[in-house]
Amino acid sequence: AQKVTQAQTEISVVEKEDVTLDCVYETRDTTYYLFWYKQPPSGELVFLIRRNSFDEQNEISGRYSWNFQKSTSSFNFTITASQVVDSAVYFCALSDFTGGFKTIFGAGTRLFVKA
Amino acid sequence: NAGVTQTPKFQVLKTGQSMTLQCAQDMNHNSMYWYRQDPGMGLRLIYYSASEGTTDKGEVPNGYNVSRLNKREFSLRLESAAPSQTSVYFCASSEGRPSGAFFGQGTRLTVV
Repeated sequence: AQKVTQAQTEISVVEKEDVTLDCVYETRDTTYYLFWYKQPPSGELVFLIRRNSFDEQNEISGRYSWNFQKSTSSFNFTITASQVVDSAVYFCALSDFTGGFKTIFGAGTRLFVKA
Repeated sequence: NAGVTQTPKFQVLKTGQSMTLQCAQDMNHNSMYWYRQDPGMGLRLIYYSASEGTTDKGEVPNGYNVSRLNKREFSLRLESAAPSQTSVYFCASSEGRPSGAFFGQGTRLTVV
């Protein structure tokens, strides 16, 4: 069965701190995809990244980086030198072969970045 | 660049009323989705359409119906609204599963 767990409900940091958002997933498939989305206070959902199960290379995009570890079924997201504009709810999501590649989401982590 | 457009943005219904949420995308995507977002529960998939002419149930389909009218449009219908359907509804589209999805602005629905 598919499952995505984001154990951190809320995180509060001060600007310029680094912060890591955790994501643990469950799937029986060897072929699956992982995603991160951002939902700022305005409410829209913004796609950040997709990762497939065959590519464990870490990815960096500016201040954002993602660490994919199949051994621990985790796909963590780190924001370096956080900024107030990073304040948002961040969702991790999973899409796998058995689930017909339907995407299911974790409950989200609300990040507050204080000036 | 419209992307995914949902209408309406806000709606208040009385219990038992019906309504249709409209969604259209202009990115020529094959797949479209309807999600609902409730506090502390992330987004839950209601229905999806992998391609024009097909629809399938998601995690929480009860109380809803959908129509994939053509490649661009995917509507969600509540036949008899219930207070438990008070939520924010998002439509999304993607090139195909499991591509990253692009979301509409959301519809905040309140059923009283």
